[in-house]
Amino acid sequence: KAGVTQTPRYLIKTRGQQVTLSCSPISGHRSVSWYQQTPGQGLQFLFEYFSETQRNKGNFPGRFSGRQFSNSRSEMNVSTLELGDSALYLCASSQTRDSSNTGELFFGEGSRLTVL
Amino acid sequence: DAKTTQPNSMESNEEEPVHLPCNHSTISGTDYIHWYRQLPSQGPEYVIHGLTSNVNNRMASLAIAEDRKSSTLILHRATLRDAAVYYCILRDPLNAGNNRKLIWGLGTSLAVNP
Repeated sequence: KAGVTQTPRYLIKTRGQQVTLSCSPISGHRSVSWYQQTPGQGLQFLFEYFSETQRNKGNFPGRFSGRQFSNSRSEMNVSTLELGDSALYLCASSQTRDSSNTGELFFGEGSRLTVL
Repeated sequence: DAKTTQPNSMESNEEEPVHLPCNHSTISGTDYIHWYRQLPSQGPEYVIHGLTSNVNNRMASLAIAEDRKSSTLILHRATLRDAAVYYCILRDPLNAGNNRKLIWGLGTSLAVNP
């Protein structure tokens, strides 16, 4: 069974640009969550989707947004990029309705964004 | 939100047991304790989880204090492949509201010496 797939794996953008990252969950998983990982802050929760609805949102500015499609694939978008947005963006899928419950999270390898 | 506290780093020798501690003094009655680990250049992977009783699986054991304010992940025989960052997090299935924040922190970086 294929794992969680994130694209692109690496990308470089300049300040002010916008970026869209994609996540394909494990087949049958309907919950997708996104995380930002930086050396200083560790893993921080961005948002979570289930059945195309955002169910939870972390403490990030409105420049960070996401959506989920009917096939459970998810995208996240960051507009007006800042240098501090450079990070590894991780996507995780879960079989259960909400990744806050006891369901195991399956992570992708991440998309590493560098903002120059 | 319930938060966990872990040592920044720990070191172990190969084939020796490793005990990774986690404090969660503000844990609520419905919080499950989860452990994940992140190998270099990979996303985190699930290790184990529990609620009140100690748990064992093929990867590790989880020992939960009687008051649930702390727990310990036990790797029975460390291997070089166990060198990773280990995260202890709390997950609450009953309070997953719109403002729920899932706090991971920096975890414990485990080094395994050959």
